[in-house]
Parts: sequence; structure tokens; C-alpha cells
Amino acid sequence: DVKVTQSSRYLVKRTGEKVFLECVQDMDHENMFWYRQDPGLGLRLIYFSYDVKMKEKGDIPEGYSVSREKKERFSLILESASTNQTSMYLCASSYGGQPETQYFGPGTRLLVL
Amino acid sequence: SQKIEQNSEALNIQEGKTATLTCNYTNYSPAYLQWYRQDPGRGPVFLLLIRENEKEKRKERLKVTFDTTLKQSLFHITASQPADSATYLCALNNAGNMLTFGGGTRLMVKP
Repeated sequence: DVKVTQSSRYLVKRTGEKVFLECVQDMDHENMFWYRQDPGLGLRLIYFSYDVKMKEKGDIPEGYSVSREKKERFSLILESASTNQTSMYLCASSYGGQPETQYFGPGTRLLVL
Repeated sequence: SQKIEQNSEALNIQEGKTATLTCNYTNYSPAYLQWYRQDPGRGPVFLLLIRENEKEKRKERLKVTFDTTLKQSLFHITASQPADSATYLCALNNAGNMLTFGGGTRLMVKP
């Protein structure tokens, strides 16, 4: 079974703090994704990566950056957390072929005070 | 503009009945469409995929239809059980083979 793990289930941070969310997958998948999910807005893609050290902006990249130094690990960074970044963050991975089926981690619920 | 619409209102049904969820899309020409299940506080889990040249796909109590003329997919759960209660998301591939997700429909199956 594909396993995607995220570093924290719940996180509370203060405005202005730098926040790191880590995601690890164990299936040698090429692609990795970061989404945020908010009530009424569904899943929105922040960034994705199709290879080590490669990254592409998704629909809402502002205020976020990412890092993929190793194939299995994809980090989401909030450079200076703001209250409007309070959300559920979901990491996903996929093997990179067609069709594209994504495997999700359990999510990190981030609260920025 | 591109849009994927799922009924945002919860669907309440009685145990044993068939649940039918709808996914409509506009300004997409997807090669395939997928359905995911999401439990509260958890990440979505892939359930079924149907390709554009397939009319129907089944897996145990689940059935998905895909009508590219109507631009609609229907997701059915037969003999529904309280354990089927969850939010169900449809997703389709857009240009670049990325997935775009609908907002999901919450299903509540009452005993």
C-alpha cells in the first residue's frame, strides 16, 4: 500500500512565524503535491513537483514556497504565517503516468493565531 | 471558465437505499474522471476511475457512469450502510494532466 505521511496532524503557530510542513511518501512516486482545503472552497493546489528539485506553481502559490531535495520528501514552507493561512493542508503523491491517481496523506490542520 | 460542480448540500438517505451523487463539469474535456472518499479530518482516498470511452464502471457496491455529452458523472452506492457516510469528491484531469477536484458532497446514511 502507498503510504504518504505528514509531519504533524495539528499545528498552532503565531502570525509571522516561519512554518514547515513535511510530507514523505514511500512508493517512489515521481509527482508530489500540496493542497489546502477550506470549507466551501474545496481542494486548491498550492504547488506541485514532478521531480527532485523541480517545482511548479499551482492555483494559489502566494505566501508559500516548497522544497524537494529528495524524491520521497516534499516540504511546504510558510515564510511568514498569516491568519488567512489557517487551513487543512494535504500532501499527495502520484507515480507520474496516466491516468493520474493521487494518494493523500492524513492532512495537517494548521491554526495561525 | 472551467467549473466542477457537486451538490454542496448533504445527501441524507436511509440504510439499504441507493445513494446517487452527481458531478457536473463545464469547459473541460477530461480523458478520465475519478471519485474519492474523504472522512472527517482525513485525506481523500481514491475509489474509482472511469475513462472517457467508458460509459460505466463497477466495483463491489459502487457504480460510476460518465456521460461526456452531458458532461456529467453519477456515483452510485447500492445497499448503502452507515459506514458509507463520508464526503465524496469527483476529480478530473485538466491540461497538463493535473487533477482538479470538485467541492465534494457529504453523504449521511442513517440506520
